[in-house]
Amino acid sequence: IAGITQAPTSQILAAGRRMTLRCTQDMRHNAMYWYRQDLGLGLRLIHYSNTAGTTGKGEVPDGYSVSRANTDDFPLTLASAVPSQTSVYFCASSAYPWETQYFGPGTRLLVL
Amino acid sequence: AQTVTQSQPEMSVQEAETVTLSCTYDTSESDYYLFWYKQPPSRQMILVIRQEAYKQQNATENRFSVNFQKAAKSFSLKISDSQLGDAAMYFCAYSNTNAGKSTFGDGTTLTVKP
Repeated sequence: IAGITQAPTSQILAAGRRMTLRCTQDMRHNAMYWYRQDLGLGLRLIHYSNTAGTTGKGEVPDGYSVSRANTDDFPLTLASAVPSQTSVYFCASSAYPWETQYFGPGTRLLVL
Repeated sequence: AQTVTQSQPEMSVQEAETVTLSCTYDTSESDYYLFWYKQPPSRQMILVIRQEAYKQQNATENRFSVNFQKAAKSFSLKISDSQLGDAAMYFCAYSNTNAGKSTFGDGTTLTVKP
């Protein structure tokens, strides 16, 4: 069982480019989340989805979009990347929104 | 809105000693869940321990235990017999069935000195 996988592991991106970070879970969890973690700091919730077909905004949603077409996949898209989006991005899932979250290994993104 | 506060940005402990990390939260709910997560230098976030608010007994997991004070809205993590592998950033988190998502504290970086 892989749990949660994220791709790519790391990426260098030119400002203004579009980028999609992939996240897949094989635990059949209902809820999924995207967080960003800036160097040495805590987690900030970008978007979440409590069940397939629904999404919600977290505390820092601007510049990001998500979709949840099925249970397993929760891609995060940066429509036009800016240097302030340089961060490590974590995807997580939980059986239910209030339950323990399981995290992916993260994607390190550098926007130049 | 629920808030989670970790007042200690950094803590250090001598190997084999005991350390306590603090966490307080604010909520008007009576039924909720509390968590401690660990993020080592490898970045992989994992669950350390979890507590359901309706349970009066404090959760324990081997060397990790919590002191859950519901009236005071306090949820501290005690690490006994600290090991070098315990060095990490520790996050306290809160959730309830109405919130739709968890709220995380800003984290405490724990250093373990040999």
